[in-house]
Amino acid sequence: KQEVTQIPAALSVPEGENLVLNCSFTDSAIYNLQWFRQDPGKGLTSLLLIQSSQREQTSGRLNASLDKSSGRSTLYIAASQPGDSATYLCAEGSSNTGKLIFGQGTTLQVKP
Amino acid sequence: DAGVIQSPRHEVTEMGQEVTLRCKPISGHNSLFWYRQTMMRGLELLIYFNNNVPIDDSGMPEDRFSAKMPNASFSTLKIQPSEPRDSAVYFCASSLLPPGRHTEAFFGQGTRLTVV
Repeated sequence: KQEVTQIPAALSVPEGENLVLNCSFTDSAIYNLQWFRQDPGKGLTSLLLIQSSQREQTSGRLNASLDKSSGRSTLYIAASQPGDSATYLCAEGSSNTGKLIFGQGTTLQVKP
Repeated sequence: DAGVIQSPRHEVTEMGQEVTLRCKPISGHNSLFWYRQTMMRGLELLIYFNNNVPIDDSGMPEDRFSAKMPNASFSTLKIQPSEPRDSAVYFCASSLLPPGRHTEAFFGQGTRLTVV
């Protein structure tokens, strides 16, 4: 069964700190891994997409990595800001099933 | 492109009534996903279509739920009859899916459904 897990469920850090969000998946037939941001009461905004043939992707202060052998992805946020406060979700796209399955998300609070 | 468009944004209905949620995917995308989001269960995949054909509906909770995609630019999710436990935010997403691959998925703003 295709399962995605995110730890921790919630995280609170002071402004300026670097942080890492974790995502693990069980499906060995991963095609890609996508990270999203969701603000309260809003939809999902795509942040980064990593294809299975890639090891990492970067966008500004965000860096996402993918390790297929261990079934893990991390989202690194550098120099966090209060505006980064949101829920971050990872989703695995499977080449076997065609499904895009989400983790439960990590709710991040960056304190000024 | 205006992105994935969902309507209505909010829906309040009485238990037992029929509810229809609508989605217009991004032009050119050939995969469409319906998700339900609740605090308890997070984002659950209900059904997804590829080239207008339902590929996997194993996430549809009950026979009260049905989804259609009559053409490449429109999909509906129907709940009949609705129950209070169906209250959730329903999201539609689309992507371009060549065989065996996924590209970036884009989400609509969601429909917040409240069944009283």
